[in-house]
Amino acid sequence: QSALTQPRSVSGSPGQSVTISCTGTSRDVGGYNYVSWYQQHPGKAPKLLIYDVNKWPSGVPARFSGSKSGNTASLTISGLQAEDEADYYCCSYADSYTLLFGSGTKVTVL
Amino acid sequence: EVQLVQSGAEVKKPGESLRISCKASGYSFTRYWITWVRQMPGKGLEWMGRIDPSDSYTYYSPSFQGLVTISTDKSITSAYLQWSSLEASDTAIYYCARQLDTALANPFDYWGQGTLVTVSS
Repeated sequence: QSALTQPRSVSGSPGQSVTISCTGTSRDVGGYNYVSWYQQHPGKAPKLLIYDVNKWPSGVPARFSGSKSGNTASLTISGLQAEDEADYYCCSYADSYTLLFGSGTKVTVL
Repeated sequence: EVQLVQSGAEVKKPGESLRISCKASGYSFTRYWITWVRQMPGKGLEWMGRIDPSDSYTYYSPSFQGLVTISTDKSITSAYLQWSSLEASDTAIYYCARQLDTALANPFDYWGQGTLVTVSS
């Protein structure tokens, strides 16, 4: 099974909104409401941002939001801040009892 | 405070064996699975497999089945990732993370700091 497809990079100015897509198939993203999103700053461990498509763990600001339509999940960062510059990965449960990560997206704050 | 503290960086030669560790604290160790994730240099995250510390039941991603061994010692709340014969392609950062033990679909809510493994002759 291949990694889920994410854009290599997205960028935005402070205060703007950016959206990162995560495209899979009906055997993973489209088949289950078990998509999570992780933020990774350089040299650091990933951090959970969103789970079960659109739920927030404690402590994550609401300007990070998740959604899904068909085989594509999305993460939207509203009110972009300098500290949001990082790599972002989606992750989905998939058929045959496995987990797939996305290819990763670098967010640049202009 | 929940913590997953991993062992330090390793430099090994091809063909050597290695075991890295992940020490858990601040929660009930047997209520959460431990999963391992690989990140090759400059690349994305890959799920390797998970272990249930309550009974040591292990499940591997097909991509890693037979290449690594995941184990746990619940008496010291630690999990391990082991290689019997390293290859240069095993060079990567390896993360441990925990997930609630009810389903593989559960998110990874806490992560270790990562262990860099370098395999070079």
